[in-house]
Amino acid sequence: DAGVTQSPTHLIKTRGQQVTLRCSPISGHKSVSWYQQVLGQGPQFIFQYYEKEERGRGNFPDRFSARQFPNYSSELNVNALLLGDSALYLCASSFDGPGETQYFGPGTRLLVL
Amino acid sequence: AQTVTQSQPEMSVQEAETVTLSCTYDTSESDYYLFWYKQPPSRQMILVIRQEAYKQQNATENRFSVNFQKAAKSFSLKISDSQLGDAAMYFCAYGETNSGYALNFGKGTSLLVTP
Repeated sequence: DAGVTQSPTHLIKTRGQQVTLRCSPISGHKSVSWYQQVLGQGPQFIFQYYEKEERGRGNFPDRFSARQFPNYSSELNVNALLLGDSALYLCASSFDGPGETQYFGPGTRLLVL
Repeated sequence: AQTVTQSQPEMSVQEAETVTLSCTYDTSESDYYLFWYKQPPSRQMILVIRQEAYKQQNATENRFSVNFQKAAKSFSLKISDSQLGDAAMYFCAYGETNSGYALNFGKGTSLLVTP
């Protein structure tokens, strides 16, 4: 079975631009979570979605938004990009949510210039 | 917020030897779960092992085992018969069973395996 997939793999943007990252969960998984990993740090939780509803949100500004589609895939949007948004963005899927193991995709590396 | 602390930024082990990576966490919850994830240079986060807090028995997965000390809030990872492919960043992560959605990660331990 295919694992979690993310696109694109790499992205370069300039300050002030907007970006959309995409994630497809493991088949049968209904929950998708997004994490930001800055170089040298552990991942930080951004959002979790389940059945198209937001179920959890981390300490990130409103410039960050996400949604989940009926096929359980998800998009993460970041508006008004800042240099500090440069990071690896990880998507993880799980069958349900709390208590379930989260399986990670390969990530999207975003560089903001 | 729950915090996860990995006090060893870097560790080194010789091939075929055993190494233990440390992790402590802070929580007031009684029902939670813990993970070790491995992140090689490719940056893909790979699950190594999972432990439920209600289980007294320590989890094992082949050469990987944990020492879970609930009272001490300690969750260390032991890698036996280390292989060159074990070289990676290792992250300890905490999640809550009933109310949490996020995994809280430590800052990671970089493991170097020498021939």
